[in-house]
Amino acid sequence: EAGVTQSPTHLIKTRGQQVTLRCSPISGHTSVYWYQQALGLGLQFLLWYDEGEERNRGNFPPRFSGRQFPNYSSELNVNALELEDSALYLCASSPDTYLYNEQFFGPGTRLTVL
Amino acid sequence: AQSVTQLGSHVSVSEGALVLLRCNYSSSVPPYLFWYVQYPNQGLQLLLKYTTGATLVKGINGFEAEFKKSETSFHLTKPSAHMSDAAEYFCAVDGGSQGNLIFGKGTKLSVKP
Repeated sequence: EAGVTQSPTHLIKTRGQQVTLRCSPISGHTSVYWYQQALGLGLQFLLWYDEGEERNRGNFPPRFSGRQFPNYSSELNVNALELEDSALYLCASSPDTYLYNEQFFGPGTRLTVL
Repeated sequence: AQSVTQLGSHVSVSEGALVLLRCNYSSSVPPYLFWYVQYPNQGLQLLLKYTTGATLVKGINGFEAEFKKSETSFHLTKPSAHMSDAAEYFCAVDGGSQGNLIFGKGTKLSVKP
């Protein structure tokens, strides 16, 4: 069974630019979660998508947005990049939002903002 | 609101020694608890989880954790450390209806030869 996949692996952008990160969940998983792992800040929850709808978002500004497609894949968009957006962005998926929410993580996308 | 505290941002042990990584949680409802491991430049891999039932949970790579409700703890142990155990370990609690996992700040484990 293929795991969660993310693309691209690495990305370098400059301040003010926009970026799109992509995630494909494990087959059969309907929920997708995005987390930001910035140096020294731990894992911060960004967004949760289930069945194509945004179910919850963390304490991040509106320039962080995303969507989930009918095939349950997802993308995370970040507009007007700032230096502090440099981080590892992790995507996770889970099979059922009403169970104990075991989440399976992808390898992440490393974003560097210069 | 749920929260997780991991005591010790860095733990160093000798190869073959006991590994003990501490995790305390705060939750108003019976918690679902997880330990994840992250190797350098990789994503998170689930080590083990507690949902219901047996309070001593066994995971992969020889790790286990014990859920102690009275102490609100879920410490991770391994009897004998191996060099390959060097990584960062995260304890997490299910955020319930919020959907997300709530993570501790992580403990970086170093294993000395």
